[in-house]
Amino acid sequence: QITLKESGPTLVKPTETLTLTCTFSGFSLSTTREGVGWIRQSPGEAHEWLGLIYWNDETRYSPSLQSRLTITKDNSKNEVVLTMTNMDSVDTATYFCAHRRGHSFFDNWGQGTLVSVSS
Amino acid sequence: VMTQSPATLSVSPGERVTLSCRASQSVYNNLAWYQQKFGQAPRLLIYGISTRATGIPARFGGSGSGTEFTLTISGLQSEDFAVYYCQQYNSWPLTFGAGTKVEI
Repeated sequence: QITLKESGPTLVKPTETLTLTCTFSGFSLSTTREGVGWIRQSPGEAHEWLGLIYWNDETRYSPSLQSRLTITKDNSKNEVVLTMTNMDSVDTATYFCAHRRGHSFFDNWGQGTLVSVSS
Repeated sequence: VMTQSPATLSVSPGERVTLSCRASQSVYNNLAWYQQKFGQAPRLLIYGISTRATGIPARFGGSGSGTEFTLTISGLQSEDFAVYYCQQYNSWPLTFGAGTKVEI
């Protein structure tokens, strides 16, 4: 059974850097084709894919956010970390991590974590 | 760009509903549908246009091709009232539709 859970701050100030951790179980990010993605959903808005990381350390980012994002993984801890710099109020959203195998859909999602950006 | 219609669908339990999703360019068969209830994570319903995910009831069906896709729920049950999203995974960036809310 695959499970994922996001953790991190609920409130960050404008211009600060957000760091979120996705802790997962039920698969290994050292196994071929396994991947973890990050998706966010602003209040009342559609889901926005942010980026993802694969078992081979390949990363992909949303072109509109690429300059602000970094995704890394720690196989020994079964963790994926999302870093987003220069946070703004428009980045207020629920952030989800999700499992992806190969170039496919997201079959399992974390519960999400709400991050608010405010001074 | 993934465009879903309608934005909201008001229906009664037991009815059959059809939700639409249109892609701005062909996504071939790389199309998934998710269900999301308030305060919960999205749940994968359908992938590859028409394959139901594990544990998804047979009343959920997907169809379509290329750029036009449909999610059909036959015999709507109370637990089906939620927001439904389509997503293409054919090309970067991965994109989602804005959703269709199915309400009573």
